[in-house]
Amino acid sequence: GAGVSQSPSNKVTEKGKDVELRCDPISGHTALYWYRQSLGQGLEFLIYFQGNSAPDKSGLPSDRFSAERTGGSVSTLTIQRTQQEDSAVYLCASSSRQDSRAFFGQGTRLTVV
Amino acid sequence: GESVGLHLPTLSVQEGDNSIINCAYSNSASDYFIWYKQESGKGPQFIIDIRSNMDKRQGQRVTVLLNKTVKHLSLQIAATQPGDSAVYFCAAYFGNEKLTFGTGTRLTIIP
Repeated sequence: GAGVSQSPSNKVTEKGKDVELRCDPISGHTALYWYRQSLGQGLEFLIYFQGNSAPDKSGLPSDRFSAERTGGSVSTLTIQRTQQEDSAVYLCASSSRQDSRAFFGQGTRLTVV
Repeated sequence: GESVGLHLPTLSVQEGDNSIINCAYSNSASDYFIWYKQESGKGPQFIIDIRSNMDKRQGQRVTVLLNKTVKHLSLQIAATQPGDSAVYFCAAYFGNEKLTFGTGTRLTIIP
């Protein structure tokens, strides 16, 4: 596709369940970011992948959060044993080395009940 | 440390007037800055960018000014329209290429 695609667009899950959020970056983009945005708040950095380098995981809030990027393309953000405070919009962005502008997907709205 | 902040969380402007949104950054090593617009329910959308070797860059109705001496960035929107109502974020690349965002300014255009 032409842009960053995220799925699902909405996810409601019960507290304690695991969830997986998917991001398809723009084809050829080597950098991929995950951010979290709580209602009315700014963007909280979670994790950053750049090519084959080790990811920058410094923003992951707890060990319940993990992310992987397979084949340098699709990324999955996994949240284990979800808590109500995990409720937020999770945004993915990608960029290329030639053009550092990061382009965002529409986000996944996660609601933990 | 690395941080990008904004001077005001909210800003209201009369339709047709110009608006200025400000942003401060702390790391003088940052060399690339971007402004994003986020409308309700959508992801941030690229507006305009500027590299540290420039002081000013203009787009359609938008101008970004960079003052490296005081580490300050601003976004000027000319002749504001209702569609300009959104949250605006500045973002900066620091040495490790991790894009860091400010907290955002909610701009409301008053008809």
